Amino acid sequence: GQQLNQSPQSMFIQEGEDVSMNCTSSSIFNTWLWYKQDPGEGPVLLIALYKAGELTSNGRLTAQFGITRKDSFLNISASIPSDVGIYFCAGQKTSYDKVIFGPGTSLSVIP
Amino acid sequence: DAGITQSPRHKVTETGTPVTLRCHQTENHRYMYWYRQDPGHGLRLIHYSYGVKDTDKGEVSDGYSVSRSKTEDFLLTLESATSSQTSVYFCAISVSGDEQYFGPGTRLTVT
Repeated sequence: GQQLNQSPQSMFIQEGEDVSMNCTSSSIFNTWLWYKQDPGEGPVLLIALYKAGELTSNGRLTAQFGITRKDSFLNISASIPSDVGIYFCAGQKTSYDKVIFGPGTSLSVIP
Repeated sequence: DAGITQSPRHKVTETGTPVTLRCHQTENHRYMYWYRQDPGHGLRLIHYSYGVKDTDKGEVSDGYSVSRSKTEDFLLTLESATSSQTSVYFCAISVSGDEQYFGPGTRLTVT
Protein backbone atom coordinates (compact mmCIF):
# COMPACT_ATOMS: atom_id res chain seq x y z
CA GLY A 1 0.00 0.00 0.00
CA GLN A 2 0.89 3.64 -0.06
CA GLN A 3 3.37 4.73 2.56
CA LEU A 4 4.69 7.99 3.86
CA ASN A 5 8.09 8.33 5.44
CA GLN A 6 8.88 10.98 8.01
CA SER A 7 12.28 12.14 9.15
CA PRO A 8 13.66 12.45 11.60
CA GLN A 9 11.84 9.82 13.64
CA SER A 10 12.58 11.79 16.80
CA MET A 11 14.44 14.92 17.76
CA PHE A 12 15.61 16.63 20.90
CA ILE A 13 16.23 20.36 20.69
CA GLN A 14 16.93 23.27 22.96
CA GLU A 15 14.20 25.79 23.60
CA GLY A 16 14.51 28.65 21.14
CA GLU A 17 15.96 26.56 18.32
CA ASP A 18 14.33 26.17 14.95
CA VAL A 19 13.02 22.75 13.87
CA SER A 20 12.76 21.18 10.44
CA MET A 21 11.11 17.91 9.55
CA ASN A 22 9.99 16.35 6.31
CA CYS A 23 7.67 13.82 4.80
CA THR A 24 8.25 11.86 1.61
CA SER A 25 6.21 9.52 -0.51
CA SER A 26 6.65 7.36 -3.57
CA SER A 27 3.21 8.54 -4.73
CA ILE A 28 1.94 11.93 -5.79
CA PHE A 29 -0.53 13.65 -3.49
CA ASN A 30 -2.67 16.68 -4.20
CA THR A 31 -3.24 17.59 -0.58
CA TRP A 32 -0.75 17.55 2.26
CA LEU A 33 -1.78 17.89 5.89
CA TRP A 34 0.27 18.39 9.03
CA TYR A 35 -1.03 17.38 12.45
CA LYS A 36 0.28 17.61 15.99
CA GLN A 37 -0.64 15.15 18.73
CA ASP A 38 -0.19 15.84 22.41
CA PRO A 39 0.04 12.89 24.83
CA GLY A 40 -3.39 11.38 25.50
CA GLU A 41 -5.10 13.55 22.89
CA GLY A 42 -6.25 13.21 19.32
CA PRO A 43 -4.25 14.72 16.45
CA VAL A 44 -4.93 18.39 15.77
CA LEU A 45 -4.71 19.84 12.28
CA LEU A 46 -1.97 22.48 12.02
CA ILE A 47 -1.68 23.29 8.34
CA ALA A 48 -3.30 22.14 5.09
CA LEU A 49 -1.58 22.51 1.71
CA TYR A 50 -3.35 22.25 -1.63
CA LYS A 51 -0.94 23.41 -4.34
CA ALA A 52 2.54 22.32 -5.38
CA GLY A 53 5.11 24.85 -4.22
CA GLU A 54 2.67 26.40 -1.74
CA LEU A 55 4.16 27.83 1.44
CA THR A 56 1.70 28.31 4.31
CA SER A 57 2.27 29.65 7.81
CA ASN A 58 0.39 29.26 11.06
CA GLY A 59 2.10 31.36 13.72
CA ARG A 60 5.61 30.00 14.20
CA LEU A 61 4.87 27.04 11.94
CA THR A 62 5.55 27.05 8.21
CA ALA A 63 4.81 24.17 5.87
CA GLN A 64 5.62 23.68 2.23
CA PHE A 65 4.06 21.52 -0.47
CA GLY A 66 6.95 20.05 -2.45
CA ILE A 67 7.15 20.83 -6.15
CA THR A 68 7.31 17.14 -7.08
CA ARG A 69 4.07 16.56 -5.10
CA LYS A 70 5.86 13.70 -3.38
CA ASP A 71 7.06 15.55 -0.33
CA SER A 72 6.23 18.18 2.23
CA PHE A 73 8.16 20.04 4.90
CA LEU A 74 7.33 21.56 8.26
CA ASN A 75 9.41 24.15 10.06
CA ILE A 76 8.92 25.46 13.57
CA SER A 77 10.72 28.63 14.51
CA ALA A 78 11.91 29.55 18.01
CA SER A 79 10.66 26.37 19.67
CA ILE A 80 8.97 26.51 23.06
CA PRO A 81 8.16 23.74 25.57
CA SER A 82 4.54 23.44 24.40
CA ASP A 83 5.77 22.39 20.94
CA VAL A 84 6.51 18.97 22.45
CA GLY A 85 4.49 16.22 20.81
CA ILE A 86 4.28 14.01 17.76
CA TYR A 87 3.96 15.62 14.36
CA PHE A 88 2.24 13.67 11.62
CA CYS A 89 2.14 14.38 7.94
CA ALA A 90 -0.70 13.07 5.82
CA GLY A 91 -1.35 12.96 2.10
CA GLN A 92 -4.46 12.68 0.02
CA LYS A 93 -4.83 12.20 -3.72
CA THR A 94 -8.30 13.64 -4.28
CA SER A 95 -11.02 15.13 -2.12
CA TYR A 96 -12.86 12.51 -0.06
CA ASP A 97 -10.20 9.94 -0.90
CA LYS A 98 -8.49 8.09 1.94
CA VAL A 99 -5.92 10.09 3.85
CA ILE A 100 -2.58 8.33 4.33
CA PHE A 101 -0.65 9.16 7.51
CA GLY A 102 3.06 9.07 8.13
CA PRO A 103 4.52 7.35 11.22
CA GLY A 104 5.24 10.67 12.95
CA THR A 105 8.16 12.70 14.22
CA SER A 106 8.48 12.94 17.99
CA LEU A 107 9.71 16.34 19.16
CA SER A 108 11.16 16.99 22.60
CA VAL A 109 12.12 20.50 23.68
CA ILE A 110 14.70 20.96 26.42
CA PRO A 111 14.10 24.12 28.45
CA ASP B 1 -13.40 22.17 18.18
CA ALA B 2 -15.08 19.86 15.66
CA GLY B 3 -17.69 18.66 18.13
CA ILE B 4 -16.55 15.04 18.22
CA THR B 5 -16.90 12.88 21.30
CA GLN B 6 -15.90 9.27 21.81
CA SER B 7 -17.11 6.82 24.40
CA PRO B 8 -15.87 5.15 26.40
CA ARG B 9 -12.52 6.92 26.74
CA HIS B 10 -10.92 3.89 28.36
CA LYS B 11 -11.91 0.25 28.38
CA VAL B 12 -10.38 -2.99 29.55
CA THR B 13 -11.98 -6.16 28.26
CA GLU B 14 -11.23 -9.85 28.05
CA THR B 15 -10.30 -11.81 24.96
CA GLY B 16 -13.37 -13.10 23.16
CA THR B 17 -15.83 -10.50 24.42
CA PRO B 18 -17.66 -8.11 22.09
CA VAL B 19 -16.84 -4.42 22.35
CA THR B 20 -18.55 -1.41 20.82
CA LEU B 21 -16.99 2.02 20.62
CA ARG B 22 -19.08 5.07 19.86
CA CYS B 23 -18.26 8.22 17.97
CA HIS B 24 -20.67 11.14 18.11
CA GLN B 25 -20.53 14.39 16.14
CA THR B 26 -22.68 17.45 16.59
CA GLU B 27 -22.37 19.04 13.15
CA ASN B 28 -23.93 16.52 10.70
CA HIS B 29 -20.86 15.95 8.58
CA ARG B 30 -21.30 13.20 6.04
CA TYR B 31 -17.89 11.52 6.22
CA MET B 32 -16.72 9.77 9.38
CA TYR B 33 -13.71 7.52 9.97
CA TRP B 34 -12.32 5.03 12.46
CA TYR B 35 -8.55 4.73 12.88
CA ARG B 36 -6.33 2.77 15.19
CA GLN B 37 -2.99 4.08 16.41
CA ASP B 38 -0.15 1.80 17.38
CA PRO B 39 3.52 2.59 18.06
CA GLY B 40 5.51 2.55 14.85
CA HIS B 41 2.43 2.42 12.63
CA GLY B 42 0.94 5.86 12.91
CA LEU B 43 -2.76 6.07 12.16
CA ARG B 44 -4.32 3.29 10.14
CA LEU B 45 -7.80 3.42 8.69
CA ILE B 46 -10.19 0.69 9.86
CA HIS B 47 -13.52 1.66 8.29
CA TYR B 48 -15.18 4.81 7.07
CA SER B 49 -18.67 6.03 6.31
CA TYR B 50 -19.91 8.39 3.64
CA GLY B 51 -23.49 8.60 4.83
CA VAL B 52 -26.18 6.83 6.84
CA LYS B 53 -25.86 3.10 6.21
CA ASP B 54 -23.02 3.74 3.72
CA THR B 55 -19.72 2.30 4.93
CA ASP B 56 -16.56 0.87 3.43
CA LYS B 57 -13.45 -0.95 4.56
CA GLY B 58 -10.12 0.62 5.25
CA GLU B 59 -6.62 -0.73 5.46
CA VAL B 60 -7.03 -2.85 8.62
CA SER B 61 -10.70 -3.85 8.70
CA ASP B 62 -10.38 -7.55 9.61
CA GLY B 63 -12.04 -8.26 12.96
CA TYR B 64 -14.01 -5.01 12.96
CA SER B 65 -17.46 -4.00 11.84
CA VAL B 66 -19.18 -0.62 11.79
CA SER B 67 -22.66 0.78 11.69
CA ARG B 68 -24.14 4.18 11.02
CA SER B 69 -27.87 4.42 11.55
CA LYS B 70 -27.83 8.18 12.23
CA THR B 71 -25.68 10.92 10.73
CA GLU B 72 -24.28 11.87 14.11
CA ASP B 73 -23.22 8.41 15.33
CA PHE B 74 -20.65 5.99 13.95
CA LEU B 75 -20.15 2.77 15.90
CA LEU B 76 -17.14 0.46 15.76
CA THR B 77 -17.63 -3.12 16.95
CA LEU B 78 -15.10 -5.77 17.76
CA GLU B 79 -17.20 -8.92 17.56
CA SER B 80 -14.71 -11.01 19.54
CA ALA B 81 -11.86 -8.95 20.90
CA THR B 82 -8.29 -10.23 20.59
CA SER B 83 -5.08 -9.02 22.22
CA SER B 84 -3.89 -7.71 18.85
CA GLN B 85 -6.76 -5.22 18.98
CA THR B 86 -5.30 -3.51 22.04
CA SER B 87 -4.80 -0.02 20.70
CA VAL B 88 -5.92 3.57 20.80
CA TYR B 89 -8.92 4.16 18.55
CA PHE B 90 -9.67 7.53 17.00
CA CYS B 91 -12.76 8.72 15.24
CA ALA B 92 -12.49 11.51 12.69
CA ILE B 93 -14.79 13.57 10.50
CA SER B 94 -14.11 15.23 7.19
CA VAL B 95 -15.40 18.74 6.86
CA SER B 96 -14.44 19.60 3.30
CA GLY B 97 -13.34 16.31 1.79
CA ASP B 98 -9.71 16.67 2.74
CA GLU B 99 -9.14 18.12 6.20
CA GLN B 100 -9.96 15.58 8.89
CA TYR B 101 -10.66 16.42 12.52
CA PHE B 102 -10.17 13.90 15.26
CA GLY B 103 -11.92 12.96 18.46
CA PRO B 104 -10.09 12.51 21.78
CA GLY B 105 -9.60 8.75 21.35
CA THR B 106 -10.52 5.54 23.17
CA ARG B 107 -7.80 3.49 24.81
CA LEU B 108 -8.76 -0.18 24.58
CA THR B 109 -6.91 -2.95 26.38
CA VAL B 110 -7.76 -6.57 25.63
CA THR B 111 -6.45 -8.96 28.28
